[in-house]
Amino acid sequence: GESVGLHLPTLSVQEGDNSIINCAYSNSASDYFIWYKQESGKGPQFIIDIRSNMDKRQGQRVTVLLNKTVKHLSLQIAATQPGDSAVYFCAETTRSARQLTFGSGTQLTVLP
Amino acid sequence: DAGVIQSPRHEVTEMGQEVTLRCKPISGHNSLFWYRQTMMRGLELLIYFNNNVPIDDSGMPEDRFSAKMPNASFSTLKIQPSEPRDSAVYFCASTTPETEVDTQYFGPGTRLTVL
Repeated sequence: GESVGLHLPTLSVQEGDNSIINCAYSNSASDYFIWYKQESGKGPQFIIDIRSNMDKRQGQRVTVLLNKTVKHLSLQIAATQPGDSAVYFCAETTRSARQLTFGSGTQLTVLP
Repeated sequence: DAGVIQSPRHEVTEMGQEVTLRCKPISGHNSLFWYRQTMMRGLELLIYFNNNVPIDDSGMPEDRFSAKMPNASFSTLKIQPSEPRDSAVYFCASTTPETEVDTQYFGPGTRLTVL
């Protein structure tokens, strides 16, 4: 039968708290990973990336952690703000493929 | 700097009509990607071009869909004839290998509704 619509995981956090969004990727050969943020009515926006030769990378208020052993990626957002409310996607690729494979996304809601 | 530009932003059409979506990649980017986003299937890659040449169109749903890139600054995605199940948001993204990593930059999308 027809599958139901995607059920996005949701995360609700209080303004000012830290957020952790998780992603399990599928291809053990993937060597480049990106986190995208998609606000309602807009296209995905690049946040931060990491290569497979790293396990941590920090940006402004965001940190990405990579655990290749268990094929897990996480995005940490410090001092979450209302403007951080969006759907967050992880994407994986290999340098040779150049095509991104996107996860299903996580809906982050920041509560006042 | 102008980002990826897509037009129209919204399109409402009737089943059976031809639909053409347009994309202008970021200047200097030589790879262009077309995606479709629906609640049912999430973000799906339809086709991508490298230096105006289609590299992989395995994601194109069927023959009703076609894409062209006549030059480095313009691409079209055409659906003929359109069907209600084609209703989705269509995104265009571009990137360049000149940067060390292949980060794709997305346009604002075209929301297509086929009645």
